[in-house]
Amino acid sequence: SSELTQDPDVSVALGQTVRITCQGDTLRKFFATWYQQKPGQAPVLVIHGENKRPSGIPDRFSGSASGNTASLTITGAQATDEADYYCNSRDSSGYQVFGTGTKVTVL
Amino acid sequence: QVRLQQWGAGLLKPSETLSLTCAVYGGSFTGYYWTWIRQPPGKGLEWIGELNHIGGANYNPSLKSRLTISADTSKNQFSLRLNSVTAADTAIYYCARSSDFWSGCSDWGQGALVTVSS
Repeated sequence: SSELTQDPDVSVALGQTVRITCQGDTLRKFFATWYQQKPGQAPVLVIHGENKRPSGIPDRFSGSASGNTASLTITGAQATDEADYYCNSRDSSGYQVFGTGTKVTVL
Repeated sequence: QVRLQQWGAGLLKPSETLSLTCAVYGGSFTGYYWTWIRQPPGKGLEWIGELNHIGGANYNPSLKSRLTISADTSKNQFSLRLNSVTAADTAIYYCARSSDFWSGCSDWGQGALVTVSS
């Protein structure tokens, strides 16, 4: 199955912009889905498809893609955005695969 | 608002069978994708498998030989069975719902820690 690679740790100053990337060959064909997970909680879907936000997700979260890389951007990061973020996609066989995860720290 | 509630045995010995059930409240069962995902303590997420909108199963190839995911539509429930568990299967197991193949899991169960230890 395909692999999705993320930077392990990213930090951002309060109110600034941070981009979290996810790399993998399958992203050349399929969009990424992004999840936010806070300690002790189930993941929360924040972006799916071509930059679609579920109801209740702030518009400071946005998604984009280029080549084999998908990105999740948080514009004006808040303290509440400190969490682990996982990308997810389908491979050519239809199986789901998760990225390795990025821990975002808001300074 | 749909709610997923999951349950099952939390402590298993090696070689035993892991069995979890997820009940769906407040929403339709048919027409959705029903997924199991796990997370070893302190590690990342791993997709286990899913039931699609017409009841077909799709499994992680690394688990396929030990795995069964099934549904009881009369009870609005779906289940996970994983045979011959080892310590490597110790994880928090989540059930989740997707509206279709592409949209990601918008609704999640509370998670259940399953520990495999002799």
